[in-house]
Amino acid sequence: KQEVTQIPAALSVPEGENLVLNCSFTDSAIYNLQWFRQDPGKGLTSLLLIQSSQREQTSGRLNASLDKSSGRSTLYIAASQPGDSATYLCAAPLPPGNNRKLIWGLGTSLAVNP
Amino acid sequence: NAGVTQTPKFRVLKTGQSMTLLCAQDMNHEYMYWYRQDPGMGLRLIHYSVGEGTTAKGEVPDGYNVSRLKKQNFLLGLESAAPSQTSVYFCASKTPLETDTQYFGPGTRLTVL
Repeated sequence: KQEVTQIPAALSVPEGENLVLNCSFTDSAIYNLQWFRQDPGKGLTSLLLIQSSQREQTSGRLNASLDKSSGRSTLYIAASQPGDSATYLCAAPLPPGNNRKLIWGLGTSLAVNP
Repeated sequence: NAGVTQTPKFRVLKTGQSMTLLCAQDMNHEYMYWYRQDPGMGLRLIHYSVGEGTTAKGEVPDGYNVSRLKKQNFLLGLESAAPSQTSVYFCASKTPLETDTQYFGPGTRLTVL
């Protein structure tokens, strides 16, 4: 059974720092790994989707990597800004092998301080 | 395009009352989902639909019913609300493509007293 874990639960950094958010999954037969952002009181917005055949995806200052053998994905945020403050969630398809339903981590709450 | 919209944004119910949450999407997506989000529990799937006229149970379906009479709409019903159903409810949609992600609505905050 696929389980998704995110550590740390919360992170506070000064503006300008490069930072890494972690996502672990238990079943390495993963189809893809998805990263979302959630602003307080708002819905979720997709950031990056990494297919199992890919090792990383980039969008602007965001870079997500996927290592199936170790059961880990990381979201790297370069030169963090106060506007990056949000909760970041990762999700993996359940069951592995199709992208119909997702199982979610609990998220990392990020605060970037000016 | 409006994307995924949810009605209402906020609602307060008394125990035992019923209500329907409406989700609408204008992206012609086949798949639609209802989630609830609670502190410490994360996002949990209530029900989902892979096409007009079809519905399926998710992780936490008890106490909820759904209908997908039109492709663009997905309704979530609470027949007899309980305080345990106090939560934030999110609707999402996607295409059947394996490479596609889910698109979320802004959420409905429901309080059951």
